[in-house]
Amino acid sequence: AQTVTQSQPEMSVQEAETVTLSCTYDTSESDYYLFWYKQPPSRQMILVIRQEAYKQQNATENRFSVNFQKAAKSFSLKISDSQLGDAAMYFCAYRSAVGNTDKLIFGTGTRLQVFP
Amino acid sequence: NAGVTQTPKFQVLKTGQSMTLQCAQDMNHNSMYWYRQDPGMGLRLIYYSASEGTTDKGEVPNGYNVSRLNKREFSLRLESAAPSQTSVYFCASSELRGRFTGELFFGEGSRLTVL
Repeated sequence: AQTVTQSQPEMSVQEAETVTLSCTYDTSESDYYLFWYKQPPSRQMILVIRQEAYKQQNATENRFSVNFQKAAKSFSLKISDSQLGDAAMYFCAYRSAVGNTDKLIFGTGTRLQVFP
Repeated sequence: NAGVTQTPKFQVLKTGQSMTLQCAQDMNHNSMYWYRQDPGMGLRLIYYSASEGTTDKGEVPNGYNVSRLNKREFSLRLESAAPSQTSVYFCASSELRGRFTGELFFGEGSRLTVL
């Protein structure tokens, strides 16, 4: 069975600085997808960024980028130029490429605080 | 366009009582999911429905039942609530586009407390 581990329960960053959130996963599959979801205080989860395992290029979405290390099974999220609105819980998630649904396996989350 | 709507948002139950969480999506998605979120444990899949008329167990299905009433609606029922079911419940939906997407659209969550 696949597992997702987020070893940092909490992180903090100053506004305009850069922060990296860590995620490792375990799988025997070669084809899969990885995601970072954001959960602000309002509780509604939203997708931040997605990475396809067969693509070597790291995904980027504006100020958000990932460092995908397939051999090491590592998938970290870098937030550049942090803003107060980035304060939230961040969840790393895994999806097998097999199957006809988007069943995701989530990590335990990292709470990010942003200080002015 | 409301997206995914869950009701109720808050509920307090006594042990042994039953209740149903309702979920509806207006995005014409085929797949729907119920997750529970507990402190330090992330989100865990309870049940999912790949398409109208089908339901399958997820990681933590014990104590729950689901009904995919139609393409829009997917309800979660607790037949005899237990304190261990105190949690925040999230409904989500998705639609496969191209190969796969993995983008789930979530409701705002329902906080359930069982005394």
